Amino acid sequence: EPEVTQTPSHQVTQMGQEVILRCVPISNHLYFYWYRQILGQKVEFLVSFYNNEISEKSEIFDDQFSVERPDGSNFTLKIRSTKLEDSAMYFCASRALEQETQYFGPGTRLLVL
Amino acid sequence: AQKVTQAQTEISVVEKEDVTLDCVYETRDTTYYLFWYKQPPSGELVFLIRRNSFDEQNEISGRYSWNFQKSTSSFNFTITASQVVDSAVYFCALSELNNDMRFGAGTRLTVKP
Repeated sequence: EPEVTQTPSHQVTQMGQEVILRCVPISNHLYFYWYRQILGQKVEFLVSFYNNEISEKSEIFDDQFSVERPDGSNFTLKIRSTKLEDSAMYFCASRALEQETQYFGPGTRLLVL
Repeated sequence: AQKVTQAQTEISVVEKEDVTLDCVYETRDTTYYLFWYKQPPSGELVFLIRRNSFDEQNEISGRYSWNFQKSTSSFNFTITASQVVDSAVYFCALSELNNDMRFGAGTRLTVKP
């Protein structure tokens, strides 16, 4: 069964460094999302992406964040200058046109020191 | 604005007991979708069910059942004859048409042998 994949599974970085989290959505899906989950808290929406542009973003998704679909398969989340509070699990999700169910990847656990 | 409330932070039961996880939602839209996801200790988000706002039929899948009541804006989830493997955090979520998904705070279920 097709699934969303994410790399790396874990990443440790120093405060102020840039990180890029990678996702490969399910191949026929057209909507892509990033969510984050700070340890022990709920899953929070960051951004949605459709037709090569951001369709919606939350207040969390500030100028330090950007998303890109550099080729036909990858969907990336970049954090330009990481802060301690960016430490979280980051989930990518995708869904098909006309379908409302989002399928989540296994997540990338980011730790900022 | 859409909002999901899971009032039960933690529930602990003994194996074979039935348990109901509550979910109450708020939305101004007439078209919306409700979801339950399971997050086991390994951290991934596992899709369990989607319900659209026009379909109030309750659903049963094995030991899982869901009770959707528009009159009370609730979408409760019952596990019958719980098992240790059901131990996880369960999230209820809501999305309005073509919008991002908003999650509740989650309910941590512990099933003891």
